[in-house]
Amino acid sequence: QSALTQPPSASGSPGQSVTISCTGTSSDVGGYNYVSWYQQHPGKVPKVMIYEVNKRPSGVPDRFSGSKSGNTASLTVSGLQAEDEADYYCSSYAGSNTVVFGGGTKLTVL
Amino acid sequence: EVQLVESGGGLVQPGGSLRLSCSASGFTFSSYAMHWVRQAPGKGLEYVSAISSNGGSTYYADSVKGRFTISRDNSKNTLSLQMSSLRAEDTAVYYCVKDQALTGYFDYWGQGTLVTVSS
Repeated sequence: QSALTQPPSASGSPGQSVTISCTGTSSDVGGYNYVSWYQQHPGKVPKVMIYEVNKRPSGVPDRFSGSKSGNTASLTVSGLQAEDEADYYCSSYAGSNTVVFGGGTKLTVL
Repeated sequence: EVQLVESGGGLVQPGGSLRLSCSASGFTFSSYAMHWVRQAPGKGLEYVSAISSNGGSTYYADSVKGRFTISRDNSKNTLSLQMSSLRAEDTAVYYCVKDQALTGYFDYWGQGTLVTVSS
């Protein structure tokens, strides 16, 4: 049940792209195509942005994309906008109805 | 419209007990696994507990195993978390979360209820 590893911070200027990594193990990220990404603005409830590695729920801009290679998943935000500034958390299914979260990454739009 | 409304949070002394409830509406509650996720003040998300759609299977994070019990009443569309032997490190906002596809895809979150463990 070890947490997934994310960089504590990331940043980019408006219009740029930024990628946030999420590293786990073969028991979670590497073992299943069930990685999700959540956006959380201060004082707000987390919102799912990506599920099952690279699928976007209805209403999520296509500027948000996800990918996975081995035990590492990534979230890319293209065309950064001011409202993208938030905390981002990855999560992965880890078997037996369990999920593990990453420690979170604070995205700053410069 | 899917709604998850938590209740039962509050201030409790170390070693005490508290029962959280989550009232669900807007979807077929009995068809979905449900989870509790918590977030300590200023910290990240931590997975706490899960229960299958029929209540037959449960899961607990090591940090709460033996102290917390998750349950559900599908006739009342209610999810519960009985917490005992509470510690200061259990202080957090507790979110009730719906699992869309048994893959950890948490599509709906409640607003959360704050549990504070302090003397």
